[in-house]
Amino acid sequence: AQTVTQSQPEMSVQEAETVTLSCTYDTSESNYYLFWYKQPPSRQMILVIRQEAYKQQNATENRFSVNFQKAAKSFSLKISDSQLGDTAMYFCAFMKPGGNYGQNFVFGPGTRLSVLP
Amino acid sequence: DGGITQSPKYLFRKEGQNVTLSCEQNLNHDAMYWYRQDPGQGLRLIYYSQIVNDFQKGDIAEGYSVSREKKESFPLTVTSAQKNPTAFYLCASSVGLGAGNTIYFGEGSWLTVV
Repeated sequence: AQTVTQSQPEMSVQEAETVTLSCTYDTSESNYYLFWYKQPPSRQMILVIRQEAYKQQNATENRFSVNFQKAAKSFSLKISDSQLGDTAMYFCAFMKPGGNYGQNFVFGPGTRLSVLP
Repeated sequence: DGGITQSPKYLFRKEGQNVTLSCEQNLNHDAMYWYRQDPGQGLRLIYYSQIVNDFQKGDIAEGYSVSREKKESFPLTVTSAQKNPTAFYLCASSVGLGAGNTIYFGEGSWLTVV
């Protein structure tokens, strides 16, 4: 079974600084999807970024970028120029090939990020 | 505005009672889902539905039931058989089940057993 690990239960960063959240996963598959979701205090989950494993290039979305190390099974999220609105729980998620949101879509336990003024 | 509406936001249940959480979406999505979130854990799938009048069990379906009589509605009933129902429940929807689609989430419902 696929597992997703987020080793940092809580992190904090000063406003305007850069922070990196770590995620590792365990799979024997060669192709799959990886996701980062943000859950702010309002509790609504929002997709931050998505990466397909067969793509070499790291995905970026404005201030958010990932460092995808396939051999190491690592998928870290970097937030640049942190803003107060980035304060949230961040979840890493994995989907195997042939899987879908109803099957083989696995979430990590989350990292609580606090951006400090 | 298009989105997913969950109600109620907070619900208290006495032991032995069934309760129903509502989920309505106006995104015209075929697929809908229910997740449970416990502290320190990621989301776990309870049930999902790919199309009207069809639904499938997720990883933790025991003690829960759903129906999908209309495309826009996917209510979740937490039955008395659910041993530990106190949790945060998230409804979600997507155009289709595949990873190429984006899944959208509602704002959740808190259920507490008293």
